[in-house]
Amino acid sequence: KNEVEQSPQNLTAQEGEFITINCSYSVGISALHWLQQHPGGGIVSLFMLSSGKKKHGRLIATINIQEKHSSLHITASHPRDSAVYICAVRLSGISSGSARQLTFGSGTQLTVLP
Amino acid sequence: DTEVTQTPKHLVMGMTNKKSLKCEQHMGHRAMYWYKQKAKKPPELMFVYSYEKLSINESVPSRFSPECPNSSLLNLHLHALQPEDSALYLCASSRVGAGTQYFGPGTRLLVL
Repeated sequence: KNEVEQSPQNLTAQEGEFITINCSYSVGISALHWLQQHPGGGIVSLFMLSSGKKKHGRLIATINIQEKHSSLHITASHPRDSAVYICAVRLSGISSGSARQLTFGSGTQLTVLP
Repeated sequence: DTEVTQTPKHLVMGMTNKKSLKCEQHMGHRAMYWYKQKAKKPPELMFVYSYEKLSINESVPSRFSPECPNSSLLNLHLHALQPEDSALYLCASSRVGAGTQYFGPGTRLLVL
């Protein structure tokens, strides 16, 4: 079983729909990242969370540490939101002086149709 | 400047060639990373440099040789690669011990 599980694997939505992507993890973490990868490769970091909720434009990320679960929401989705969304966690127990390794989920391919 | 740059964007090489990938950042980050990503898979960590010293090598074959000549630059030297090494190679950087990893656009490598 993967330490980081994402659902759904694939998601197709109509423009304007509210979208939710879920991430569950089975290990202790110090932070959780949501990343976006467009076709062509480059990865953009959307959020880094250790508790609560963050919002940036139409994107909202929440995390529930007790339930080991995070969600990424996209409001008023647009075709340009079509990308792979990846959840990644930094395991806890790594010393603060060490470089950060990330454990990645398998990604959610989002397609938003016009 | 929150940019990580990578060159070249694309690379085609034969199995006997020697080539290098380059990564650069000017954010003052002292942790830098190489990842390999195959199609429809998440990135796999290859190497981590912390304060210009190799701190993690995820059992990567010796045909991949990383180098961190200074705090802004990270190279990946390639020699005698195999076709299965064809992938997207991503570089990232972060502060040591805190903060977000910033990723470059990647080099798409094809080994013939």
